[in-house]
Amino acid sequence: GAVVSQHPSWVICKSGTSVKIECRSLDFQATTMFWYRQFPKQSLMLMATSNEGSKATYEQGVEKDKFLINHASLTLSTLTVTSAHPEDSSFYICSARNRGQGAAGNTIYFGEGSWLTVV
Amino acid sequence: RKEVEQDPGPFNVPEGATVAFNCTYSNSASQSFFWYRQDCRKEPKLLMSVYSSGNEDGRFTAQLNRASQYISLLIRDSKLSDSATYLCVVNMYSNSGYALNFGKGTSLLVTP
Repeated sequence: GAVVSQHPSWVICKSGTSVKIECRSLDFQATTMFWYRQFPKQSLMLMATSNEGSKATYEQGVEKDKFLINHASLTLSTLTVTSAHPEDSSFYICSARNRGQGAAGNTIYFGEGSWLTVV
Repeated sequence: RKEVEQDPGPFNVPEGATVAFNCTYSNSASQSFFWYRQDCRKEPKLLMSVYSSGNEDGRFTAQLNRASQYISLLIRDSKLSDSATYLCVVNMYSNSGYALNFGKGTSLLVTP
C-alpha cells in the first residue's frame, strides 16, 4: 500500500532554534499534503494544507511565519517550526492525498508523526 | 461549536463485550466519513469508511445518518487488542479544499 514517511520521528531542540520535519510520499505522487498537530489528549488539529508548487493555506490561528511549509515536489513537503518555544512541543503529523484521487479523494495516507520537544 | 464531536470516554469494557461509539458533525455538506484508530503515541490508522447504507467489517459496524449528522461505530466481541482511541473523521470542504477533520477521539480500554 501507499506509504508516507515522516522524519525525524523524535526531536529535541533548544528554545529559539528552528526544526524542520520532512514528509515524503514513497510510492505515489501527492499533490496535496496536510500538516496536523496533536497535543496530549486532544484531537488532531489541521494546521495547513499544502499543494505542490503553491503556497500553503493555513488554518485560522496558525502563524504562517512561524510554521513554514514548503511543498516543492510531488513527493516532499516540509514543515519548519521557526524559533521554537516549549509551547510548540507537540506531535506533528503529515498526511498525503494520492494525485489520482482527485480533490475529494477519500484515501489519505498518514506519516508516522514527529514528536517535538522544545526545552 | 466543534466540527466533529465525540464522547471522549474512557469506555472500560470486559473482553467479549459489545461497545458503541457515537459522533456528530456540524457541516451538512460533508462529503465522506471514516473511523480511524489511534494507538498511544502513534499515527492514526484507517479503520473503516462509513456509508449511509451502513457497512460492516468483521466485528465492526459503522452507520451514518446524514439527516441527523450522526455517525456510529459498533464493536462486537471486544478483544484486548481493540484498546485504543477511536477517531471520528469527516472529510469537509473549506477554504483550503477538502481536508479531514478529526474528532477528539473516544478512548476504549478492553480488560481481561
